[in-house]
Amino acid sequence: GDSVTQTEGQVTVSESKSLIINCTYSTTSIAYPNLFWYVRYPGEGLQLLLKVITAGQKGSSRGFEATYNKETTSFHLQKASVQESDSAVYYCALGDSGGSNYKLTFGKGTLLTVTP
Amino acid sequence: GPKVLQIPSHQIIDMGQMVTLNCDPVSNHLYFYWYKQILGQQMEFLVNFYNGKVMEKSKLFKDQFSVERPDGSYFTLKIQPTALEDSAVYFCASSLVKQDTQYFGPGTRLLVL
Repeated sequence: GDSVTQTEGQVTVSESKSLIINCTYSTTSIAYPNLFWYVRYPGEGLQLLLKVITAGQKGSSRGFEATYNKETTSFHLQKASVQESDSAVYYCALGDSGGSNYKLTFGKGTLLTVTP
Repeated sequence: GPKVLQIPSHQIIDMGQMVTLNCDPVSNHLYFYWYKQILGQQMEFLVNFYNGKVMEKSKLFKDQFSVERPDGSYFTLKIQPTALEDSAVYFCASSLVKQDTQYFGPGTRLLVL
């Protein structure tokens, strides 16, 4: 089957410090995985932060970056300098670009708390 | 960005009753999805729906579950009868085409007593 493992639980970072949330994936059925980071801000629905569909490429949005590494099956989320407004739950997800239908496999989510 | 709405935000019902969860997808989207998230676990795919038909469903999509979108209105998930293990947050999503970005609603928190 397919699975996504990401940094568990809660991560607390001071404002202006750097962040990394780890994500690794595993798949037995997807030939060409697509990788995503979604974010849920307090009181809001899940929204796409960034996506990468080609191995070796980097996606970026709102100062966040993630590189699709096929060799290590990883898609870690990084930001050089976080802000309080980045406090949210972050989800790594795996999708199948070549399948007949399209479903996402999610990690458990990582709660990021940025302190002043 | 595009918004997906879900009604109600919370629902409490007794085991064995029927419940319908409603999703108002992005207006021009063609593909619709339901995901289920049990407390403390990851969000898991239930079903996707296109052109009036279920295209794929997971093993979580029990016989008691059904989906429909009558006359292009709400996309609904019906559970009849409900069981205790159906307690979860249910997320609806929609996308314009099959492999496009999925836009998610805020979820309906269902508690079955």
